[in-house]
Amino acid sequence: EAGVTQFPSHSVIEKGQTVTLRCDPISGHDNLYWYRRVMGKEIKFLLHFVKESKQDESGMPNNRFLAERTGGTYSTLKVQPAELEDSGVYFCASSQRGTLGNTIYFGEGSWLTVV
Amino acid sequence: TQLLEQSPQFLSIQEGENLTVYCNSSSVFSSLQWYRQEPGEGPVLLVTVVTGGEVKKLKRLTFQFGDARKDSSLHITAAQPGDTGLYLCAGAPGANSKLTFGKGITLSVRP
Repeated sequence: EAGVTQFPSHSVIEKGQTVTLRCDPISGHDNLYWYRRVMGKEIKFLLHFVKESKQDESGMPNNRFLAERTGGTYSTLKVQPAELEDSGVYFCASSQRGTLGNTIYFGEGSWLTVV
Repeated sequence: TQLLEQSPQFLSIQEGENLTVYCNSSSVFSSLQWYRQEPGEGPVLLVTVVTGGEVKKLKRLTFQFGDARKDSSLHITAAQPGDTGLYLCAGAPGANSKLTFGKGITLSVRP
């Protein structure tokens, strides 16, 4: 069974440019999460999809971030325009059901560097 | 804002030693998870504890959830170099809610 896959694994862009991160969850997983780890800080929640619907987007930093999940399958996270403080590792995770008692599988992360 | 404090931040020990690390909060969590992360990879779930006072064992790793469900500990018996990695705790306040992570504990086990 394929795990959670993320693309690109690394990206270096200039301030003001746009970057789109993609996540393919494990097949059959309705729940998809985006988390981010900024250097020196803890992993922080960004948002949670259940199928194609946003269940919780309280962690999204500002309106420069846009997440979508087309047809309840893969998800994209777009940052436009990127700022220096957006640098970090963006993790996608998926689970069959919600948090409690269910295994959440994380991808390897997309490393974003904004210069 | 719920915070999880992990300690110690860094730990370097010799193979065969025992160790205990901690995850503390002033908030109550409905469940708490421990993950291990290796360089270039995402966190991998080790265990989930949901009941206050619960103890779970995973080979040489013993996890305990505090009675008040505010803290947890991880004890490793006879550490091996393969135990080296970043250990993260993460709590969920509700049944289907977002995870709050600690900053992690970097463990290095020397052969």
